[in-house]
Amino acid sequence: AQSVTQLDSQVPVFEEAPVELRCNYSSSVSVYLFWYVQYPNQGLQLLLKYLSGSTLVKGINGFEAEFNKSQTSFHLRKPSVHISDTAEYFCAVEEGAQKLVFGQGTRLTINP
Amino acid sequence: NAGVTQTPKFQVLKTGQSMTLQCAQDMNHEYMSWYRQDPGMGLRLIHYSVGAGITDQGEVPNGYNVSRSTTEDFPLRLLSAAPSQTSVYFCASHNFDEQYFGPGTRLTVT
Repeated sequence: AQSVTQLDSQVPVFEEAPVELRCNYSSSVSVYLFWYVQYPNQGLQLLLKYLSGSTLVKGINGFEAEFNKSQTSFHLRKPSVHISDTAEYFCAVEEGAQKLVFGQGTRLTINP
Repeated sequence: NAGVTQTPKFQVLKTGQSMTLQCAQDMNHEYMSWYRQDPGMGLRLIHYSVGAGITDQGEVPNGYNVSRSTTEDFPLRLLSAAPSQTSVYFCASHNFDEQYFGPGTRLTVT
């Protein structure tokens, strides 16, 4: 079975600073990887996805992620964060039949 | 286009009571799933369905039942609620490359 580890449960950063949220997954022959964002008291919304092709994936709201097969990682980055990016971020891997396995989540807090 | 709707938004149950969490989608997706979200554990798959009449268990199915009589609806039933089922429940409707989540139901079992 697949597993996903998000290495940081909380990440505080200052506004306009860069941020990286780390995600590692258990190895497999091929993987489909996702980042979802959850704003307070809301459901999850897709930020970006890696299905195949270029290892650098661009998503909404200025986020991007890089798929690294040798390190089994899919870290999420943004060069300059805003207060509105305060949310919880979830990394997920597909485990066949469109079933998703989620990481534990990383709470991103932006300080002014 | 409402997307995925869930009712109720909040519910308090006593131990041993039963209830059904409703989920509906209007995107004509074949796949639908139920997850529970608990602090520090991310989302865990309870049950999923690959089409009307077809359901299967996920990672944490005990204590929950599902059925899928139509493409649109995928209700989740708790037959005898337990405090361990206190959680936030999310329904998702999905195609190949994206899952669309409902707003969630916050359930408390006392």
